[in-house]
Amino acid sequence: DAKTTQPPSMDCAEGRAANLPCNHSTISGNEYVYWYRQIHSQGPQYIIHGLKNNETNEMASLIITEDRKSSTLILPHATLRDTAVYYCIVRSPGTLGSNYKLTFGKGTLLTVNP
Amino acid sequence: EAGVTQFPSHSVIEKGQTVTLRCDPISGHDNLYWYRRVMGKEIKFLLHFVKESKQDESGMPNNRFLAERTGGTYSTLKVQPAELEDSGVYFCASSLTAGGYTFGSGTRLTVV
Repeated sequence: DAKTTQPPSMDCAEGRAANLPCNHSTISGNEYVYWYRQIHSQGPQYIIHGLKNNETNEMASLIITEDRKSSTLILPHATLRDTAVYYCIVRSPGTLGSNYKLTFGKGTLLTVNP
Repeated sequence: EAGVTQFPSHSVIEKGQTVTLRCDPISGHDNLYWYRRVMGKEIKFLLHFVKESKQDESGMPNNRFLAERTGGTYSTLKVQPAELEDSGVYFCASSLTAGGYTFGSGTRLTVV
């Protein structure tokens, strides 16, 4: 799976949009971009994923550049409860067992300030 | 629907003892995974079950770790004998397909 690069930390004011960047310059054509977050010591939580089109769900939006070498996770109205470590993960699809595993990096610690 | 359930939530054992962690996946999820985070490190994949079969156990650290999934339902992860470096948080997750996983809250294991 392609390697990802994220800033170690970011701050955001409560109520503002949080934009978390991720670089994945070696991504292959069939690899998806996944975002998870871990709040304090809880289990990681799935947020969103996409291949090449922008995606939106009730939690966030995912913007993937046209060349797919980078992406941005957007939390439109950050709250204090969104303070967490956010992980950008690139993963191959398919049915092979090894393709299902997630490779976590260090992620970005997002701190939402009141 | 009920989420992924793990127990115990915390376990403190002495070095050399045996500990068994249990994971109940979401009903109907054929895929079950174990991950762990040891102190100061990143979350690492341990293994992947499809139903009762081990699909990928490339992340298992050594033969002191044994995972089973009886009848394709719940799974157990046994550490025998436990060592100090096994301390950490063990997460279980399940999924229907290669989409988003659902993780449990984890078991915090402390080996003293």
